[in-house]
Amino acid sequence: KAGVTQTPRYLIKTRGQQVTLSCSPISGHRSVSWYQQTPGQGLQFLFEYFSETQRNKGNFPGRFSGRQFSNSRSEMNVSTLELGDSALYLCASSLEGSSPYEQYFGPGTRLTVT
Amino acid sequence: AQKITQTQPGMFVQEKEAVTLDCTYDTSDPSYGLFWYKQPSSGEMIFLIYQGSYDQQNATEGRYSLNFQKARKSANLVISASQLGDSAMYFCAMSPNAGNNRKLIWGLGTSLAVNP
Repeated sequence: KAGVTQTPRYLIKTRGQQVTLSCSPISGHRSVSWYQQTPGQGLQFLFEYFSETQRNKGNFPGRFSGRQFSNSRSEMNVSTLELGDSALYLCASSLEGSSPYEQYFGPGTRLTVT
Repeated sequence: AQKITQTQPGMFVQEKEAVTLDCTYDTSDPSYGLFWYKQPSSGEMIFLIYQGSYDQQNATEGRYSLNFQKARKSANLVISASQLGDSAMYFCAMSPNAGNNRKLIWGLGTSLAVNP
């Protein structure tokens, strides 16, 4: 069974641009969560999508948005990039009704904003 | 406020020895879950072990065990017989609801180096 895939793996953008990151969950998983990881703040929850609906949301500004498609693939978008958005963005997928520890993480997308 | 604290930024251990990584948590929820994840330099988070707040016994998974002290709000990870491949970042995390909540709150992590 293929794991969680994230594309692209690395990305360099300049301030003010926007970026879209993609996450393909494990087949059959309908829940996708996104996290931002930085050295200073650690891992912070961005949002979770289930069946194309945002189910949980963290404390990030509106520049961070996401969506989920009918095949459970998810995208997150960051508009008007700031230097502080440089981070590793991780997504995780899980089966609905599974134990809370059964979240499977992708390798992440490392975003650098210059 | 819900919070995870890992007080050890870095730890060293000799191969084949045991090591304990500290984690304390703060929550007012009666039901919660505690997790440990390993993150190698490749970046991918690897689930290690889980403890529910109502679990009576400490969780164990192979060489990993979780020393859960509810009254002290601590959930330390014990790795027995350390291996070179255990060198990685280790994160303690909490789910505010031990049920179906995917929103994890994370500590800042402990970097573990296993020396040959």
